[in-house]
Amino acid sequence: QQQVKQSPQSLIVQKGGISIINCAYENTAFDYFPWYQQFPGKGPALLIAIRPDVSEKKEGRFTISFNKSAKQFSLHIMDSQPGDSATYFCAASSKGETSGSRLTFGEGTQLTVNP
Amino acid sequence: KAGVTQTPRYLIKTRGQQVTLSCSPISGHRSVSWYQQTPGQGLQFLFEYFSETQRNKGNFPGRFSGRQFSNSRSEMNVSTLELGDSALYLCASSKHSSGNTIYFGEGSWLTVV
Repeated sequence: QQQVKQSPQSLIVQKGGISIINCAYENTAFDYFPWYQQFPGKGPALLIAIRPDVSEKKEGRFTISFNKSAKQFSLHIMDSQPGDSATYFCAASSKGETSGSRLTFGEGTQLTVNP
Repeated sequence: KAGVTQTPRYLIKTRGQQVTLSCSPISGHRSVSWYQQTPGQGLQFLFEYFSETQRNKGNFPGRFSGRQFSNSRSEMNVSTLELGDSALYLCASSKHSSGNTIYFGEGSWLTVV
């Protein structure tokens, strides 16, 4: 019940295209859904995050869409650039004393943006 | 403001040895958590410390342990190293135990030979 499923495993997009990565979760106690971007040899960097009280959040070229009833959320990267080539992880966590800052991660999506 | 700092960045250990990794959280952050990242298992939660107390623990054997000091700095220790412990160990910090916004360090690359 703690799992977060992410797809696709890898994604190739042309420069200027839209990259879409999907995640699904099972635990209805999850109430915070961040996306992390990781470049080779680096730690994950927080990209954007959403809470279930909104259905969409946009920051620059990055948008999270959230569907509470379907228990799914997705990352859209508009106007994808070669510099966006990285591994993207969705994650989820729940509030509460016992949950703390524990993140449950998806499996990751390796995005390649071709010039 | 400085980010999460981890030391050492790279290390090679022999099977059976033990290792200690260090983490300095972002200034003002009191929660420190540790994750293991491997190609096969992805990112897995090890444990979290808040105000020097372990608040949460992942599904790892007792060979993996940690602690947090009064200045919020944290260390994790792995004893009796196994080949399968080779991984990137990531430290993350957040302001509060349930603060949710979590920032990661660059990690410590551990190779066990």
